[in-house]
Amino acid sequence: SQTIHQWPATLVQPVGSPLSLECTVEGTSNPNLYWYRQAAGRGLQLLFYSVGIGQISSEVPQNLSASRPQDRQFILSSKKLLLSDSGFYLCAWSLRENSPLHFGNGTRLTVT
Amino acid sequence: AQSVAQPEDQVNVAEGNPLTVKCTYSVSGNPYLFWYVQYPNRGLQFLLKYITGDNLVKGSYGFEAEFNKSQTSFHLKKPSALVSDSALYFCAVRDSDSNYQLIWGAGTKLIIKP
Repeated sequence: SQTIHQWPATLVQPVGSPLSLECTVEGTSNPNLYWYRQAAGRGLQLLFYSVGIGQISSEVPQNLSASRPQDRQFILSSKKLLLSDSGFYLCAWSLRENSPLHFGNGTRLTVT
Repeated sequence: AQSVAQPEDQVNVAEGNPLTVKCTYSVSGNPYLFWYVQYPNRGLQFLLKYITGDNLVKGSYGFEAEFNKSQTSFHLKKPSALVSDSALYFCAVRDSDSNYQLIWGAGTKLIIKP
């Protein structure tokens, strides 16, 4: 069966520090991969999605970037964190366009 | 413009009573509709989807949803609520004519009281 791993679960970082969040999927090949941010426990904002290795689409211009160095690995990064980058970050995968998304358990990032 | 609306910020239901969480949508093509549930500090879990076929869709944990094309709605229902159903529920839609990104509702907090 397929599983998704996302870490760390919580992270506290100072303003101006770098960020690297990692997500890996097991049990499937060539998934579509997504990074979402959830602010204030409600609305979901799509940050990046990827349909293959090295293929990244950005939905919202921001202080973040994403990379997909391997088929089932998706990394969210920042060179210098801002206070506004605080939030709950969710990684997800799907097989095809109309397949459901499967989410990781998220990373709660607090920028101080 | 494509959109999804969850008109209720919070729904309160007594345990054992039926529950409904509302969702309406607006897309230009055929809608692909989804419901997800989120428990505190966890990721979202898929409940059910409508792509085509029967208007009544059955999903996980005893939930079902009814697709109504004329009312552009996809309400989530359960005949008998459990306290453990208390969570945040999201409706999402994908437009068949667009790329494959989901449009999400703002979420509805469901509280089931014993």
